[in-house]
Amino acid sequence: NAGVMQNPRHLVRRRGQEARLRCSPMKGHSHVYWYRQLPEEGLKFMVYLQKENIIDESGMPKERFSAEFPKEGPSILRIQQVVRGDSAAYFCASSSGDSQNEKLFFGSGTQLSVL
Amino acid sequence: AQSVTQLGSHVSVSEGALVLLRCNYSSSVPPYLFWYVQYPNQGLQLLLKYTTGATLVKGINGFEAEFKKSETSFHLTKPSAHMSDAAEYFCAVSVSMDSNYQLIWGAGTKLIIKP
Repeated sequence: NAGVMQNPRHLVRRRGQEARLRCSPMKGHSHVYWYRQLPEEGLKFMVYLQKENIIDESGMPKERFSAEFPKEGPSILRIQQVVRGDSAAYFCASSSGDSQNEKLFFGSGTQLSVL
Repeated sequence: AQSVTQLGSHVSVSEGALVLLRCNYSSSVPPYLFWYVQYPNQGLQLLLKYTTGATLVKGINGFEAEFKKSETSFHLTKPSAHMSDAAEYFCAVSVSMDSNYQLIWGAGTKLIIKP
């Protein structure tokens, strides 16, 4: 039973390019969370999605960032026109949504470097 | 290799009693250490973190943790448990090696508060 899969592990982009980060949740999980971690800081919540729905995007920057979790396929975090400040590790987590036994499972993260 | 061990998948304490959640890590480089809490149906929240400086760090909701390098531990404590503390708690270690940034998670400890 594969865990949460994120790819790529490392992504290098030049300023102004687009970055696409993918997250495949654990089998049977329909809830996905995206977090960003800057060096020396903790995780910062970005967005919470269920299949085809954005539940909470209060942590997403208003511009250039978007996320989706389609009916089929992985969840995608998209960053348009990247800037140096977007360099960070981005983590995805998934859960089953069972409120009685909720547990998050994390991917290994995508390290985004903007040159 | 880096790793994080949380002793006890479930910890049960009475309301008003001391809370102690254990976290031990192994790391070949100086780590940053974090405790996160997840309440039912919510994403993670940062409780506290240690990066440098004072080894006793205070977080939100009356929690604190002490970094003990000799014991490679970062145990989380709270003098008096409250019913609202019932949640799952995750210890995490971040290390930066060769510009690669890793976040390693413990398996989590579910804190149960008995009335």
